[in-house]
Amino acid sequence: GAGVSQSPSNKVTEKGKDVELRCDPISGHTALYWYRQSLGQGLEFLIYFQGNSAPDKSGLPSDRFSAERTGGSVSTLTIQRTQQEDSAVYLCASSLRSGAGAEEQYFGPGTRLTVT
Amino acid sequence: GQQLNQSPQSMFIQEGEDVSMNCTSSSIFNTWLWYKQDPGEGPVLLIALYKAGELTSNGRLTAQFGITRKDSFLNISASIPSDVGIYFCAGQNRGSTLGRLYFGRGTQLTVWP
Repeated sequence: GAGVSQSPSNKVTEKGKDVELRCDPISGHTALYWYRQSLGQGLEFLIYFQGNSAPDKSGLPSDRFSAERTGGSVSTLTIQRTQQEDSAVYLCASSLRSGAGAEEQYFGPGTRLTVT
Repeated sequence: GQQLNQSPQSMFIQEGEDVSMNCTSSSIFNTWLWYKQDPGEGPVLLIALYKAGELTSNGRLTAQFGITRKDSFLNISASIPSDVGIYFCAGQNRGSTLGRLYFGRGTQLTVWP
């Protein structure tokens, strides 16, 4: 595929359940970012991967949130024991690299998570 | 953390009118970016600014990087219905190894035909 893909596109879950959100970045992009967009809000940074390592996890709101990336490609964001305030659109972005260049971040369509 | 204040929050305009929105920050950035988000989609980059004072155009869009490095504006001339969407400003510190973007809360633009 040409762009960043995310799955599922929509997820409804009950409070207390765990969820996994998946991101497939653009092939060859080494940098991967997760952001969260709550209703009427801007995008809030969660975590950044360079390759398989995460040098910046400072945006993860609590220890219920974790993410991993394998093979320098697919990333999974896991939310344990979901709460209603976790309801939001979770967006993934990838770029060729981070660092010296202001490499454009290409965003996926997002996963809309609703916790009931 | 770095806070971006974007205004106005929403705009309702007639087709053909010009639009202006701006963004201010409590901290300096060395890169300012403007994105547009359509419903159900991720944001798409419209314009990137890399130098204080820089004025850049992309078709009917013009953006400027403020000389204080703490602000930026976006102008849209002769608006058309497909300009409808949410516009976000974002700041970035190029040269940092991290590359994260800091976003404003967005400007919801509605264009009446």
